[in-house]
Amino acid sequence: SQTIHQWPATLVQPVGSPLSLECTVEGTSNPNLYWYRQAAGRGLQLLFYSVGIGQISSEVPQNLSASRPQDRQFILSSKKLLLSDSGFYLCAWRDGGEKLFFGSGTQLSVL
Amino acid sequence: SQQGEEDPQALSIQEGENATMNCSYKTSINNLQWYRQNSGRGLVHLILIRSNEREKHSGRLRVTLDTSKKSSSLLITASRAADTASYFCKHRNSGGSNYKLTFGKGTLLTVNP
Repeated sequence: SQTIHQWPATLVQPVGSPLSLECTVEGTSNPNLYWYRQAAGRGLQLLFYSVGIGQISSEVPQNLSASRPQDRQFILSSKKLLLSDSGFYLCAWRDGGEKLFFGSGTQLSVL
Repeated sequence: SQQGEEDPQALSIQEGENATMNCSYKTSINNLQWYRQNSGRGLVHLILIRSNEREKHSGRLRVTLDTSKKSSSLLITASRAADTASYFCKHRNSGGSNYKLTFGKGTLLTVNP
């Protein structure tokens, strides 16, 4: 069966520090991968999606970037975090069907 | 955009009552999905209804789709405290991008014991 792993679960980082969040999917190949951000009590904001290795589509032109070095690995990065980067980050995958499957999320606090 | 608009933004009911949430959209759709999110967790897919379907059931969940009104409703019958969560809809436009998947702000349901 397919599983998605996202870590860390919580992260507290100072302003200006780098960020790396990792997401991996098991049990499937060539999934569509997604990064979302959710501010407290708000909806989900689509940040990036990827339909294949090295293929990244950006929806948010901010100081975040994403990479897909392997088929089932999706990484969200920042060189210098801002206060406004705080939020709940969710990774998700889809195998070509209609359903999205989400990871358990990373709560990022930038102080 | 494939972002639905959920209504109401928040709903508070007593255990045992029914909860109804609505979703509106603006274009022709291929299908519409409902997801649930417990606080601090990822979203979980609940049910998918296709454009040629009018009603679908799954346990205590009932979803209706009215393509003429471009709206869908999620009904949770005999609610339980464990149903407390945020509920989101997402639709796929006919002929739209199959990859850019967005969600609305959701409905926060609170079921009081």
